[in-house]
Amino acid sequence: DGGITQSPKYLFRKEGQNVTLSCEQNLNHDAMYWYRQDPGQGLRLIYYSQIVNDFQKGDIAEGYSVSREKKESFPLTVTSAQKNPTAFYLCASSIVSETPAYGYTFGSGTRLTVV
Amino acid sequence: EDQVTQSPEALRLQEGESSSLNCSYTVSGLRGLFWYRQDPGKGPEFLFTLYSAGEEKEKERLKATLTKKESFLHITAPKPEDSATYLCAVQAGYGGSQGNLIFGKGTKLSVKP
Repeated sequence: DGGITQSPKYLFRKEGQNVTLSCEQNLNHDAMYWYRQDPGQGLRLIYYSQIVNDFQKGDIAEGYSVSREKKESFPLTVTSAQKNPTAFYLCASSIVSETPAYGYTFGSGTRLTVV
Repeated sequence: EDQVTQSPEALRLQEGESSSLNCSYTVSGLRGLFWYRQDPGKGPEFLFTLYSAGEEKEKERLKATLTKKESFLHITAPKPEDSATYLCAVQAGYGGSQGNLIFGKGTKLSVKP
């Protein structure tokens, strides 16, 4: 079955530590996205990529980094510069089209907690 | 600035009590409006896409409608399993959002038996 796989489901980060969240899709989608979700804040865009080896900052990119070396993969690194990383992180993918019929397909999320 | 506002933030219904969720938007040329359902601790699940004013889509107890300024998600005779957060998102035709989806904050629906 096609879909998006995020791992791990739960992740704990110590102060000053970098951690990487994995996102893999087998939908043959060109575009991939990372969102952060906090209670009462909705989904906020961190980074997005519409093509391999290219990505753009979203609304809250500070303290995060990404890479897009393969079409299927879009890992997110939460660096020590991100002072409040505790949140639910969602990865999504879509076709690149004038009217994508299904919007984005989402993964099941990674809950990151600072300990 | 492209914006999506959902209301109410939370809605509590008795089983069988029909109601509607609202999504109002301001965008520079609407490409599409999307409704998603999100269960706690999971990713959003696609429900509907609406493209133009007057369009309607239905799925089981849910019906989505679209006008030039807002969309409604009507829930008819809800069941406890309909309890979830419902997210609305729009895709603008052009402008600063570069075609990315813009999400509202969601409406948390609770249906009591």
